[in-house]
Amino acid sequence: DVKVTQSSRYLVKRTGEKVFLECVQDMDHENMFWYRQDPGLGLRLIYFSYDVKMKEKGDIPEGYSVSREKKERFSLILESASTNQTSMYLCASSLYLGDNTEAFFGQGTRLTVV
Amino acid sequence: AQSVAQPEDQVNVAEGNPLTVKCTYSVSGNPYLFWYVQYPNRGLQFLLKYITGDNLVKGSYGFEAEFNKSQTSFHLKKPSALVSDSALYFCAVRDYNTNAGKSTFGDGTTLTVKP
Repeated sequence: DVKVTQSSRYLVKRTGEKVFLECVQDMDHENMFWYRQDPGLGLRLIYFSYDVKMKEKGDIPEGYSVSREKKERFSLILESASTNQTSMYLCASSLYLGDNTEAFFGQGTRLTVV
Repeated sequence: AQSVAQPEDQVNVAEGNPLTVKCTYSVSGNPYLFWYVQYPNRGLQFLLKYITGDNLVKGSYGFEAEFNKSQTSFHLKKPSALVSDSALYFCAVRDYNTNAGKSTFGDGTTLTVKP
């Protein structure tokens, strides 16, 4: 079974802090994604990566950056956390671009910025 | 552009009754369609998908969905609901001609099954 692991379930950070959310997948998937989930807004794509060191902006990239130095690891970075970034963050992976396979999700990180 | 609409924020059914969670989509090309379920404080789990072929797709936990191209719909169904089916359900679409790899998710529908 594919496993996508996010480093933290819950995080509390202060406004202005630099925040790192880590995600690791163990099935050699090419694609990795970061979403944020807010009530009534569904899942919104922040960034995705289709290969090592490759990244593309999703629908809401402002205030975020990402890093993918190794195939299995995809990091989301909040350069200067703000209270409007309080949310549930979900990492996902899928096999490769153009495929018809489903995405596999991590358990989520609930981030609170105070 | 691709989009998904889940017109109902909440669906309530009694245990043992059939359930339907609605989803409509819009793509410029041909769709891949997915349903995911999210239990409280968990990530999303895959339920089923439509790629091509038979319009009726069967998935995990007794769920099925019917692809209707003329109505651009992909409604999730189950003949007999269980209390344990109570969760948040997401429909997702991917246009494999123009948006390789990226899925667009609906806003989610909360299903509550009452004993």
